[in-house]
Parts: sequence; structure tokens; C-alpha cells
Amino acid sequence: SAVISQKPSRDICQRGTSLTIQCQVDSQVTMMFWYRQQPGQSLTLIATANQGSEATYESGFVIDKFPISRPNLTFSTLTVSNMSPEDSSIYLCSVEDRGSYIYGYTFGSGTRLTVV
Amino acid sequence: KQEVTQIPAALSVPEGENLVLNCSFTDSAIYNLQWFRQDPGKGLTSLLLIQSSQREQTSGRLNASLDKSSGRSTLYIAASQPGDSATYLCAVPEGDKIIFGKGTRLHILP
Repeated sequence: SAVISQKPSRDICQRGTSLTIQCQVDSQVTMMFWYRQQPGQSLTLIATANQGSEATYESGFVIDKFPISRPNLTFSTLTVSNMSPEDSSIYLCSVEDRGSYIYGYTFGSGTRLTVV
Repeated sequence: KQEVTQIPAALSVPEGENLVLNCSFTDSAIYNLQWFRQDPGKGLTSLLLIQSSQREQTSGRLNASLDKSSGRSTLYIAASQPGDSATYLCAVPEGDKIIFGKGTRLHILP
């Protein structure tokens, strides 16, 4: 299965600042997904990122707050902008693994963000 | 719209017991179901994927079953160990996305 390297694993940030999270995949993938997991909650999809096009955001998430880059088929970044304590969450990237029918989805190791 | 429910929300059992985690979904038109494990503050690790044509999948002490017609899946953990303590999530596809349950938080008592 695909292997995803996600960085940073955790960070503590001041409110009003921005943090960029990176995900590097060891194989080319069409779609990458970014999720947020608030404390005690399940995963919520933020956006889907395809290479060469604008990311598609889910309801309640906007590009100004969560800009995403997808410069090639193995890499993506998510920026959490102008952070507030409410942004404290685990952020995860995910990819479809060589055809999700058989292999499903693979996730990065997560970024634990605390905003103070 | 697909909805996924996991019961129980939390479970504590003594080490060595066999246990069953339950997952139900509202739309049976799925092509697979995936079980994940999440340790606190970490990402998700895929445990088992069952394709719609399969009834069960096994990996070590884990066995997952799927009954599409009733919209249910179970994850059976045999001879539980303290290292099995984690949150277990099931997920089913919907279009290009996957829909998660809220998970079962499992605590194995030494």
C-alpha cells in the first residue's frame, strides 16, 4: 500500500499565525484528501485536492482559511490560516490506494495542532 | 446520504477476552468497507478492507465480517491485549469520499 509522510507531527502555535502541513506520498495518486478531527470527534473532510486544479472544499470550509496546494501527483500541503484556539485539532491527509475498490484508503500519521 | 453508526461508543474489557465491535450503515450500495485503528493523537492505520463480494476478512487476531443486505459489519478481536487499546473506526465509500463512524474507544485492562 501507499506510504504517506506527513509533517509536522505536532505543533503549538500562537493565535493569528498560520501553519502549513505537508504530505508526501511514495507513489503517484490522483486525489488527495485533507481531514480535520476535533477533540473527541470523528473525521471531517475539509477538501479534495487534484493535481493541476483547484481543491474542492466541503461545506463549512473555505479556501481563504484552508488554502491547499497540489503541485504534483505525490505531494500536497494544507495551510491553516489566521489560527484561533478553535482550530486545535488533528489534521490528516489521505489517498486512495491504487484503486479504492480493492485497497481502500491510506492515511498519514496526522498533525496534532494546538493553538494558544 | 450515507450514515455510519458504531456501537458501543466505548468499551473496557479485561485482557484475554474476545470482543466484537459493531458498525452499521444506511446505504447498502457500497463496494467495500474498511476498518481502521487510531491511537491517541495519531493518524489512522488500516486494519482490514472487505470488498462487497466478500463476507469476511481475517488478519491475525482480527476478523471482520460484512452483511451488505442488513447494512452491518463486525470487527472481532480475539484474545485481546493491552496493546489493542485504541479507537476503532469503520468507513464506507460514498462517491469519491469515505464516510466514517464516530468510532469505538477500546480499553483493554491488564
